[in-house]
Amino acid sequence: AQKVTQAQTEISVVEKEDVTLDCVYETRDTTYYLFWYKQPPSGELVFLIRRNSFDEQNEISGRYSWNFQKSTSSFNFTITASQVVDSAVYFCALSDLEVSSSNTGKLIFGQGTTLQVKP
Amino acid sequence: GAVVSQHPSWVICKSGTSVKIECRSLDFQATTMFWYRQFPKQSLMLMATSNEGSKATYEQGVEKDKFLINHASLTLSTLTVTSAHPEDSSFYICSAMDRSAGANVLTFGAGSRLTVL
Repeated sequence: AQKVTQAQTEISVVEKEDVTLDCVYETRDTTYYLFWYKQPPSGELVFLIRRNSFDEQNEISGRYSWNFQKSTSSFNFTITASQVVDSAVYFCALSDLEVSSSNTGKLIFGQGTTLQVKP
Repeated sequence: GAVVSQHPSWVICKSGTSVKIECRSLDFQATTMFWYRQFPKQSLMLMATSNEGSKATYEQGVEKDKFLINHASLTLSTLTVTSAHPEDSSFYICSAMDRSAGANVLTFGAGSRLTVL
């Protein structure tokens, strides 16, 4: 069965600190996608990144970076120089790689990590 | 980019009434849409997969007679909570897949907060 675990329920940091959000996943599939979504207080889910299981290169986008390690089944997310606007709930998610008649592409979400960035 | 509109954003209803929530893909066609439910401070739980022109596929434990899903067109899926009760109060979020944006990239609606009195 597929499962995503975000062990950190809540994290509180002071502005400009770096923060890493952990994500560990379980799947029997050899190919899959991993995602990070941000949910600000307004409730809407904002897509941040998608990474397929073939690509273990780390990715950086501005202050955001992601560390994918297949050996440990982890896909951690780091925010550098955090800002108050980064305060939100962050979800890690997993899905099958290819959408087919037997796979709808649904996402399995982790429990979410609430990040509070204080000024 | 792909936009999914969800309406209403919030609704308050009396126990026993039915409530319909709409999910529209504004600038793309979505043969598949997903309905999630989120309780306060909890994760998103998939309720059902909505397929255009066919019956929805419900996740285990979700009452299909309670949560009616209709996906009559390539841009619209509706979720009707029938005979709502206070325990149905939740945040309902839909998502749609824009195949042109890449496999498995879902765009989410802004969510609908249902409060049943």
